[in-house]
Amino acid sequence: LAKTTQPISMDSYEGQEVNITCSHNNIATNDYITWYQQFPSQGPRFIIQGYKTKVTNEVASLFIPADRKSSTLSLPRVSLSDTAVYYCLVGSGGGADGLTFGKGTHLIIQP
Amino acid sequence: DTGVSQDPRHKITKRGQNVTFRCDPISEHNRLYWYRQTLGQGPEFLTYFQNEAQLEKSRLLSDRFSAERPKGSFSTLEIQRTEQGDSAMYLCASSWDRDRVRETQYFGPGTRLLVL
Repeated sequence: LAKTTQPISMDSYEGQEVNITCSHNNIATNDYITWYQQFPSQGPRFIIQGYKTKVTNEVASLFIPADRKSSTLSLPRVSLSDTAVYYCLVGSGGGADGLTFGKGTHLIIQP
Repeated sequence: DTGVSQDPRHKITKRGQNVTFRCDPISEHNRLYWYRQTLGQGPEFLTYFQNEAQLEKSRLLSDRFSAERPKGSFSTLEIQRTEQGDSAMYLCASSWDRDRVRETQYFGPGTRLLVL
């Protein structure tokens, strides 16, 4: 499975847009890029998934350049409740390999 | 609430005891996964079921661990002769493989195990 690299931590302030970039240089042709969010003492929660270009849902946007070697999760106008760990994953989504999580990015939102 | 549920949410046990955790997946999901998460790390894959068949086990799953999914519905994860190193959050996830390429897993709240 393709490995991912993302910042260990980020800080921002309420109302700001936050962009978390993930590198995945060895992404395979069939791999999708998926982001999960995890709050303390809870299981990860699916945020967004994409293959190329841009995907937007009610929570976030995902930007994927043409070479797909990186991706950027964009959280518009964050609030304190967005403080969490964000995981970037690449792969076909599961099956016998499960999901491969890294250490994630710990996003801290301050007032 | 029709999400993934896990029971118990917390478990404290003494070293050497056996423990069993239960996971109830989203009802229409045919795939079920178990993960383990330690502090500061992302979840690590343990094992996976397609309906009632256990199709894959990670090398992290020692002989003391056993998982079942009778009738392809709920699943149990048992740890025998617990060790302090088993202390972790045990997460269950389920998914539906109708579109395998874009499978999304839905996680339960986890069971936090502390072995004294």
